[in-house]
Amino acid sequence: EADIYQTPRYLVIGTGKKITLECSQTMGHDKMYWYQQDPGMELHLIHYSYGVNSTEKGDLSSESTVSRIRTEHFPLTLESARPSHTSQYLCASSGRDFHTDTQYFGPGTRLTVL
Amino acid sequence: AQKITQTQPGMFVQEKEAVTLDCTYDTSDPSYGLFWYKQPSSGEMIFLIYQGSYDQQNATEGRYSLNFQKARKSANLVISASQLGDSAMYFCAMREESNSGGYNKLIFGAGTRLAVHP
Repeated sequence: EADIYQTPRYLVIGTGKKITLECSQTMGHDKMYWYQQDPGMELHLIHYSYGVNSTEKGDLSSESTVSRIRTEHFPLTLESARPSHTSQYLCASSGRDFHTDTQYFGPGTRLTVL
Repeated sequence: AQKITQTQPGMFVQEKEAVTLDCTYDTSDPSYGLFWYKQPSSGEMIFLIYQGSYDQQNATEGRYSLNFQKARKSANLVISASQLGDSAMYFCAMREESNSGGYNKLIFGAGTRLAVHP
């Protein structure tokens, strides 16, 4: 059973607002990831982290930024939300099983920007 | 080029019947991993099963089994004795080895929506 948490689960916000999506895991995983997913579509990696103070951009270009100051915490920030940012954001972590490197996901945040 | 192909946008199955969800992949890396995830309407991604490229036997986890045909580059998910709670989106994913050695990239297919009918 994965212990990875995301807040808020749902967020409706106006254009231009700054938002932070929270992601925390209690498994001690060194790797963490952020994916963006439009309804019924595949997931696209937007950010990942190997460990504390390590962050990299993923395959899908994103205006969001991330930080990794603590192992368990990987927040994603949008400085100025726009309607094009409306999507579901999924956080994941891995590292417990070195062989498979299985990623375990949080419940997701559904963001709507008006 | 698309690396994970799920050709079935939607599938229907009768409760208690078995169903196979197709997945083909493309890679030149001899070492890779294949995953299946389930995504209910609530949105979370639930890990179901894993198959490594060097694993000799097909993976099984309860009612889930993976029909791994390496030469054909297919990794189909078989769900036996379908239940109403199996209705969800199912995603096939492949882990590729990273060049830097630190991050193993996970590539997802477009998904198959499964509906289980009573």
